[in-house]
This record gives sequence, C-alpha cells and structure tokens, in this order.
Amino acid sequence: GQNIDQPTEMTATEGAIVQINCTYQTSGFNGLFWYQQHAGEAPTFLSYNVLDGLEEKGRFSSFLSRSKGYSYLLLKELQMKDSASYLCCSGGYQKVTFGIGTKLQVIP
Amino acid sequence: GAVVSQHPSRVICKSGTSVKIECRSLDFQATTMFWYRQFPKQSLMLMATSNEGSKATYEQGVEKDKFLINHASLTLSTLTVTSAHPEDSSFYICSARRSLAYEQYFGPGTRLTVT
Repeated sequence: GQNIDQPTEMTATEGAIVQINCTYQTSGFNGLFWYQQHAGEAPTFLSYNVLDGLEEKGRFSSFLSRSKGYSYLLLKELQMKDSASYLCCSGGYQKVTFGIGTKLQVIP
Repeated sequence: GAVVSQHPSRVICKSGTSVKIECRSLDFQATTMFWYRQFPKQSLMLMATSNEGSKATYEQGVEKDKFLINHASLTLSTLTVTSAHPEDSSFYICSARRSLAYEQYFGPGTRLTVT
C-alpha cells in the first residue's frame, strides 16, 4: 500500500527559508516527487529523487532518505508567489501516490 | 519542454449527459497518460492509467463503464464521463509521461460542473 504524511499547513516570511517534510510508506518505491500546485491549477513538477541525498535546483532543494522513508523540500529566499500547496508524491513506474499537500502561506 | 494541454478548461453540463475531455502532449510523445480527479481540499486521486494502444487500467472503485478512456495515439488521450451526475463535479487533471521516464507533466485541468 501507499501512505504519505506531510503537514497540512505552514506559514513563512518572505525572504526566509522553509522546509516541508514528508514521510512515506510505500511498496514498490521508485522515487519521490515534489509538485507545486497553486489554487485552482494543475500541479507543476519540481523535483524527483531516486537516490539518497540532496538535489538542488535553484531556490528549491529536495532531500531523500530511503532507509527512513523521509524526504523534505527546502525553499530558499521565499517569494510571495511561492504561496501554494506542495505535494509529496511517491511511487513507481506505473503508479504514483500523492499526499494531501502542504499549503504554504508566505507573508510579508 | 514538456507541455500538456487539456480541453475544455471548464465545462458545465446537465445531469445525464456525457462530457469528453481531451489531453494532449504538445511537444513530446507520451506512452503513458494518467487521469486524476481532485475534490476541493483533497489530494489528487488517480482514476486510471492508460498506455498508448492498450486498454486503460482503472483504480479500485472507479467505474470503467462510466469513465471511458481512450489513448489512441502517442499524443492524445480522452476521458469521457458518461451519464454525468452532480457528484461527478470535480477537477479532472491528466498527466503524461515519456517512455522510460518517471516524472509526469500535468495538463492545466478541467473543471466539470454537473447541474
């Protein structure tokens, strides 16, 4: 089965750093994805981790520990436009399972 | 790039009618396309996975006779909601994936309202 846990809401200040954690329990694990979803829109792909460690991509970084079933998304230099839901997603080649998402509010 | 389009973006239909939603990969060939449904404040729920040229694989609890999926080419998949009812009102999102790749690219979604 698939089970993904992440906080439902977070608030952070513009210019700051925020870390969104995700724990997962899945069968047939083949990678951990992070997607960003603004209200009323479809998700956009942010990152994909298949090996342990940190993947950095501009202001966004994603970390994975397979032994702990744990990942986080790190957002640096927060901007107001980063206010969105961040979906942790685990799965394999034929199927992925999405968490409910963490709604991040960036405040001035 | 990896652009996926969906049409229509919004549709309102009467109960009992059928609605077809198109999903196209514009700049790549999508061997696999996924159809999701998302209710307000809930996570994306996978409805079915379709591979080009073969029958779709439906998730448990999704009626295949009600939600008809056709993946006739490497760039087009369609979802037809047959005999729609108000409880089918939702945000329907497709995604597409290249062959041998893991990441999915999402279409902009279709908001269906059944009156």
